[in-house]
Amino acid sequence: AQSVTQPDIHITVSEGASLELRCNYSYGATPYLFWYVQSPGQGLQLLLKYFSGDTLVQGIKGFEAEFKRSQSSFNLRKPSVHWSDAAEYFCAVGAYGSARQLTFGSGTQLTVLP
Amino acid sequence: DVKVTQSSRYLVKRTGEKVFLECVQDMDHENMFWYRQDPGLGLRLIYFSYDVKMKEKGDIPEGYSVSREKKERFSLILESASTNQTSMYLCASSLGQPNQPQHFGDGTRLSIL
Repeated sequence: AQSVTQPDIHITVSEGASLELRCNYSYGATPYLFWYVQSPGQGLQLLLKYFSGDTLVQGIKGFEAEFKRSQSSFNLRKPSVHWSDAAEYFCAVGAYGSARQLTFGSGTQLTVLP
Repeated sequence: DVKVTQSSRYLVKRTGEKVFLECVQDMDHENMFWYRQDPGLGLRLIYFSYDVKMKEKGDIPEGYSVSREKKERFSLILESASTNQTSMYLCASSLGQPNQPQHFGDGTRLSIL
């Protein structure tokens, strides 16, 4: 079975600073990987996804993530954070052939200082 | 655009009541999911359905049941609500292939008094 670890429960950055949110997964084959964002009181919105091919994937809102098989990681990055990026971020892993499809990490809460 | 609609944003019920949470999607998706979200625990899968009248248990099915009589509608039922079921409930849907992203509703914040 697959699993996901987001080591950082809470991260605080200043507006305009760069951001990296960590995600480590455990799965025996090539995983399908996703990052979602949840604004307060809202459902989850898909930021980006990785299935295969180029290990650097671009998403919405200026986010990108890099798949590193050797480190079992799929970290989310943004060069310059905006106040509107304050939210909770979830990494998820899917396994081919799994009917349940996705396993989510416990989330990282991002606070952006003015 | 994709739309998953949960019938209530906020709901307050009493212990022992039978509670229904409704979810409707307009994308003709095969798969539908119910999650529970609690602080520090992320999203935990309660039940999912891959076809009409088909369902499978997720990680925490105890105390819950589901119903999928039509493709677009997936209901979560708390047979006898308890205070430990106070939580945020999220519904999602996706196409049938495993690599498809899930699309989420805005959630129902349920309080059991």
